[in-house]
Amino acid sequence: ETGVTQSPTHLIKTRGQQVTLRCSSQSGHNTVSWYQQALGQGPQFIFQYYREEENGRGNFPPRFSGLQFPNYSSELNVNALELDDSALYLCASSFGDRQYNEQFFGPGTRLTVL
Amino acid sequence: AQSVTQLDSQVPVFEEAPVELRCNYSSSVSVYLFWYVQYPNQGLQLLLKYLSGSTLVESINGFEAEFNKSQTSFHLRKPSVHISDTAEYFCAVSDSRGNAGNMLTFGGGTRLMVKP
Repeated sequence: ETGVTQSPTHLIKTRGQQVTLRCSSQSGHNTVSWYQQALGQGPQFIFQYYREEENGRGNFPPRFSGLQFPNYSSELNVNALELDDSALYLCASSFGDRQYNEQFFGPGTRLTVL
Repeated sequence: AQSVTQLDSQVPVFEEAPVELRCNYSSSVSVYLFWYVQYPNQGLQLLLKYLSGSTLVESINGFEAEFNKSQTSFHLRKPSVHISDTAEYFCAVSDSRGNAGNMLTFGGGTRLMVKP
């Protein structure tokens, strides 16, 4: 059973640029959540996709957007990058979006905005 | 809305000593509670969770946590730590209402540093 994978591992961008981060969910999982973890802080929920539909959104501006594909993999897009977007971006997948559905996390993508 | 406070950002402890990592939460609705562990350069791993039933929950590697509704706490304890327990520990909550989804609200984390 393949776990959650994310690409790329590291990324360096400059302010104002756009970035796309990718996540492959664990086999059989139909729900993907994205979290932002700034240095020294806990992860913050960005949004969740369940069966290709956005299922919930945290307190992030519209320049953070996402997609979920028919194979349940997902992308996180961030436009007009700001310095404060520098963080570890975590993807988590689960089978279903109920509270008892355990989320399995990927290793993250480290984004640095200069 | 929920919030989670982990009162200690770092906890240094000697090997084989007991440890308690504190977690308090605030919520206007009933919640489920979780502890996750993050080893260096790895993703988060679920350590244990409280959904219902017994308020004392245990993990396979000797950690336990007790849900205290009156004190809105979910402290994590281990009677004897090992060097391999060195990691960042995150307490998290999710809304327990049926259609609320499984999004997690995390605390700021506690770095457990086990010294020989």
